[in-house]
Parts: sequence; structure tokens; C-alpha cells
Amino acid sequence: EVQLLESGGGFVQPGGSLRLSCAASGFTFTSYALSWVRQAPGKGLEWVSAISGSHIYTYYADSVKGRFTISRDNSKNTLFLQMSSLRAEDTALYYCAKLHLGVADHFDYWGQGTLVTVSS
Amino acid sequence: DIQMTQSPSSLSASVGDRVTITCRASQGISNYLAWYQQTPGKVPKLLIYAASTLQSGVPSRFSGSGSGTDFTLTISSLQPEDVATYYCQKYKSAPLTFGGGTKVEIK
Repeated sequence: EVQLLESGGGFVQPGGSLRLSCAASGFTFTSYALSWVRQAPGKGLEWVSAISGSHIYTYYADSVKGRFTISRDNSKNTLFLQMSSLRAEDTALYYCAKLHLGVADHFDYWGQGTLVTVSS
Repeated sequence: DIQMTQSPSSLSASVGDRVTITCRASQGISNYLAWYQQTPGKVPKLLIYAASTLQSGVPSRFSGSGSGTDFTLTISSLQPEDVATYYCQKYKSAPLTFGGGTKVEIK
């Protein structure tokens, strides 16, 4: 059974940093691309970033490019999102999601999410 | 970047009604389109991919169609458990853009 468990969310001031983690199990971790998708309170889904299984390819939404960095540790089956220069508009529930196969694919499994609140 | 526009943004229908949600891409995306269901307070769930392929375990009352720029998600007979917000998502190339969502309620 595929499981994705996010952690690392919390309260941070504008301009601050936070690192999210996603522990994965139930599939061959290195074979699949992974992604972060966020959802602001009461709003729709927004794709944030994706990384290939080999971590050679990474992609970012324009809204986070230059501020967020996606990475993965294939030895620990863990996905990360390093977030810096955080803004109020980054406040959201951040989901870790497994891509069906490639780095630009549909999402077949989702974690429960970790909440990030950016406020002074 | 390709934009994804859903309509309507919300709808109310009776149990047993046929419900149709539309998703339009600003450029052609072939059939690289997925649909997700997010029930209140829950995680999004994949319903359909490749525009019309039903994900395993999804009830057959859900169906998808379309290609190019215009796509449709149909619920053939609305059930109470279908109350949710539905999102389309384009793929094949980044950014992996979602539509704005369609909230479905029971009348």
C-alpha cells in the first residue's frame, strides 16, 4: 500500500524559511517522480514543484521559482521541499503526491498534507 | 503556459441527475488530462486520467471525454457521496496546471 506522510509544517514569519519532508513507502521509490501540491485555505489546488525519480529533472511553478527547492533522498525514501523568503500567500496545506510515472504526469497517490502558515 | 478553465464553478443538482462539468485548455493538450474529486475535508482522489480512462475502483457512473482543448466529466446519476469539488489537471509538460474547481452540491 502506497503511503505518503508529510511533516515539517508550522508557523513562520514572512521572510522566514521552512523545510517540509515526505516519507514514502509501498512502492519502488527511485522509479517514480514526486511532487508538491498546495491548497490555500478555502481555495483550489496549485501545483508547486516536481522532481524525477533520478532527481535529475526538477520543475517549479513560477510563483515559487527561486524561493523553493525540491529534493529527494533515495536512500531514505524521502522527499523534501526547502522553502525560503516565505510570503503570506504561501500559507497553505502542502500535499506530497506521487506522479503516475514521469515528472510531468497525473497524480495517483496523495499524502494527508502538512499546514504552513506564514504570518507576522 | 497553458491555462485550464472549468465551468461552472459550482452547481446544485438532485440525486439521480446527470451532471456535466467542463474543462477547457487554452492550447491543445491531446488527451493529457486528469480529473480529481475532493470531498470536504479530504485528500484529492484521482478519478480519470488520459481524459477518459477510469482509475481502478472508481464507480462507473463517472466518465470523461474530450481531446485537444475541450473536456467533460460526467456523473451519470448523482449520488449523495458525490458531493465534492472536482478539479481537472493537464499534464505531459510542466507546469502541471489545475483548473479552478467545480463544487457539486445536492439540491
